[in-house]
Amino acid sequence: QVQLQESGPGPVKPSETLALTCTVSGVSIRSDYWSWIRQPPGKGMEWIGNVYNSGKTNYNPSLKSRVTISVDTSKNQFSLKLSSVTAADTAVYYCARGSPRCGGDCYPLDYWGQGTLVTVSS
Amino acid sequence: DIQLTQSPSFLSASVGDRVTITCRASQGISYYLAWYQQKPGKAPKLLIYAASTLQSGVPSRFSGSGSGTEFTLTISSLQPEDFATYYCQQLSTYTWTFGLGTKVEIK
Repeated sequence: QVQLQESGPGPVKPSETLALTCTVSGVSIRSDYWSWIRQPPGKGMEWIGNVYNSGKTNYNPSLKSRVTISVDTSKNQFSLKLSSVTAADTAVYYCARGSPRCGGDCYPLDYWGQGTLVTVSS
Repeated sequence: DIQLTQSPSFLSASVGDRVTITCRASQGISYYLAWYQQKPGKAPKLLIYAASTLQSGVPSRFSGSGSGTEFTLTISSLQPEDFATYYCQQLSTYTWTFGLGTKVEIK
């Protein structure tokens, strides 16, 4: 059974770096696409980026200058770092798996973590 | 970036109603579109991918159609557990985007 769990240190101060980890169980992180998505309170979802093939990445152009997604295959985890945060980065952050469909040509998000609220505040 | 426009943003419906939600892409995305359902305080749930393929375990009252720039999600007979917010997502390019969502509420 595939499970994902987000974890992080809690509130973040403005201008600091937000860091989250997603621990994956039930499947190897060496395959599939692994994404981060966020949702500000009361608003819609925003795709942040993904990592695949044990290290290749794609990022949302609007966040690209501040985002790093990496993978630790030894721990079956992948991580998100978002630098220079502001109050606008306050959101529930989700990690999710994209598994190959469309004949291996698309990766819809079929398993999600429960989400973790990250608040940016001084 | 490919933008997705969902309509309506809000709809009020009754149990048993047929409901249709539209998602329009700013450029052609073939059939690389997925639909998700999200209930308050929960993670989204994948309903449909490749525009019209039902995810395993999703009730058959949900269906999707479309290709290119216009897509629809239809719920043939709305059930109490279907009151939620629905999002479309395009997977056509290396950078993915979501629509802003359609909230389905009880009339």
